[in-house]
This record gives sequence, C-alpha cells and structure tokens, in this order.
Amino acid sequence: QSVLTQPPSASGTPGQRVTISCSGTSSNIGTNVVNWYQQLPGTAPKLLIYSNNQRPSGVPDRFSGSKSGTSASLAISGLQSEDEADYYCAGWDDSLNGPVFGGGTKVTVL
Amino acid sequence: QVQLVQSGAEVKKPGASVKVSCKTSGYRFTAYFMHWVRQAPGQGLEWMGWVNPNSAVTHYAQKFQGRVTMTRDTSINSVYMELSRLRPDDTAVYFCARRRPAPYDDFDTWGQGTMVTVSS
Repeated sequence: QSVLTQPPSASGTPGQRVTISCSGTSSNIGTNVVNWYQQLPGTAPKLLIYSNNQRPSGVPDRFSGSKSGTSASLAISGLQSEDEADYYCAGWDDSLNGPVFGGGTKVTVL
Repeated sequence: QVQLVQSGAEVKKPGASVKVSCKTSGYRFTAYFMHWVRQAPGQGLEWMGWVNPNSAVTHYAQKFQGRVTMTRDTSINSVYMELSRLRPDDTAVYFCARRRPAPYDDFDTWGQGTMVTVSS
C-alpha cells in the first residue's frame, strides 16, 4: 500500500480530458511540492510535472498539474494514443525523511 | 546531456547479494544526491534510499536498513547499490535517479533500470 493514494485506472477517448487525483497527508503533499512521472511500458519513469504545476522542457502543454491542501491532480487534455502509460504522483515526506509515491494510475486511450 | 547508465541484468539465488552500478555523465557528479527506487513486476515505485556523492553520507528507507549499502566512486562518477540476503520478493527493476534539490525536490533524470531476478 502506497503512502499517496491514486486511482488504479483512468480512461478516455482521443481528444477527451482525463484527470488523475493524488491524496496525501500534512507530512507530504500538505507541506511539500508534488511531482508527476510518466512511465511508458518497459521504460524508466520520466519527469512530467514538477513543483506542483511546472512542465519540464519538451512536455506538451496538454499536461497540467495542480495542488490544494493535501491533494493534487494531473490533467491530460486532448488525450492522445501516445499518452497510454502509468502515471505516478510523488512528494517528499517529512516524517519518513524520504520521497513517497502514489500507487500509479494506468491511463488507457479507448 | 545528463545521462545515467546502469549495469546489466542479474540473476541471483536466495541469500546472495547483488551490486548494481549507475555511471553518470554530463553534470557535476558531486552536486546532486542520487536515489535508488525499485519496481517489482506489475507494481508501483518503491524508494530505497539515497547517497550524497559529495560526502558519501547515506540514508536508507527503514524497510531496507541492514540489507542495503549505497556507495559512490568519485574517480569514475559512479554510484552503487548493494542489496544482501536476497529473497524472491526482491525481484524487481532497480533504478538510480538524480534528485534536484529544493525548491524542485524532483527526480529529473533516471537510469534505464536494472532487472534483478532472485530465484532458486
């Protein structure tokens, strides 16, 4: 069981908007920034969103992040087939003195 | 460009040890902490610990304390993760990941992963 809570799956048709939630506590999301990682099948995770809502260079603006209190969310607008992947939220946990991850959400493009 | 290149796949018997390497390039090696994260087949990401390449200070997740050792070699810009007393449930892909310090606090670069299989 992961420290951060994500739904195991999400889906949408091409062009739709999909949102993934991430719930934590005051010792992690409530205090520290949230990051999101995209993991395509058989590859290493890739930083998708950092500092709650910032996109690294090269990440399409279809991806956006937000945070409020002890929860965060990732939105994918204009869903595309290449967005099929696992998505993980993460953040530093002050109690554990280390990073914590969500269990991952598998996004399927129907 | 920043690169983390890990050693190849390993097959080990229960009770043995494994040592995975992560060779870095493209940045100042001592400027970024290196973390290790593993992923069991079909499962999520699990943090194992970090090593400070500048000081060699380490910090391990409680679950792995006593079984894991993280080291570095500044002469060749590499970090290592050794896991001992292996069990079948240690079968996983092991990743090294570079951590950017505050205010980012993210893993901006990952190694390609090293599959470790523990089986009798």
